[in-house]
Amino acid sequence: GAVVSQHPSWVICKSGTSVKIECRSLDFQATTMFWYRQFPKQSLMLMATSNEGSKATYEQGVEKDKFLINHASLTLSTLTVTSAHPEDSSFYICSANTKDYGYTFGSGTRLTVV
Amino acid sequence: AQSVTQLDSQVPVFEEAPVELRCNYSSSVSVYLFWYVQYPNQGLQLLLKYLSGSTLVESINGFEAEFNKSQTSFHLRKPSVHISDTAEYFCAVGRGNQGGKLIFGQGTELSVKP
Repeated sequence: GAVVSQHPSWVICKSGTSVKIECRSLDFQATTMFWYRQFPKQSLMLMATSNEGSKATYEQGVEKDKFLINHASLTLSTLTVTSAHPEDSSFYICSANTKDYGYTFGSGTRLTVV
Repeated sequence: AQSVTQLDSQVPVFEEAPVELRCNYSSSVSVYLFWYVQYPNQGLQLLLKYLSGSTLVESINGFEAEFNKSQTSFHLRKPSVHISDTAEYFCAVGRGNQGGKLIFGQGTELSVKP
């Protein structure tokens, strides 16, 4: 089946720094990638949808300048949390969606901002 | 707009007992329905999905769910649970196997006790 490799699995950064999270589709091409955020004991909230070669579409209330999404190739999408603050601490999950494999999720990234 | 409601935030149950995790959805268009399982600090794993055809769908580990259009429900059931089934379960609705974003319910924490 399809696999989405997400890295890093966890990261601790200082307040004010930026963090990049990568999601790679292995053995398939992901034209669409969804980025979710999950707070402890809560559901997944869709942050944005990225399509290869075009600008991401952000959900209402998500700061596009803070959460930079790049989908430069069919196998790589990145989420950069810029000028991170403690309230950005969360679990971030990507998901690729293809005709052949449906929705495939990465293993998630636990971000802690101190 | 689509929405998903999981009626129970926590379901404690003893090992080998039956369990039902409830999920209701609302949508003005035809939908596709999914159940995902999430273990601590991990991504989501697909349990089962309903796209079309038979309204009763089964997973390989004994779970089943029935799509009920009149009641707009997609409840998840298992006749006999194991300790290893302890996890968070999410119901999700989408508009297709490709392209459309997934909307998740709030999640149900299944806790299986010996």
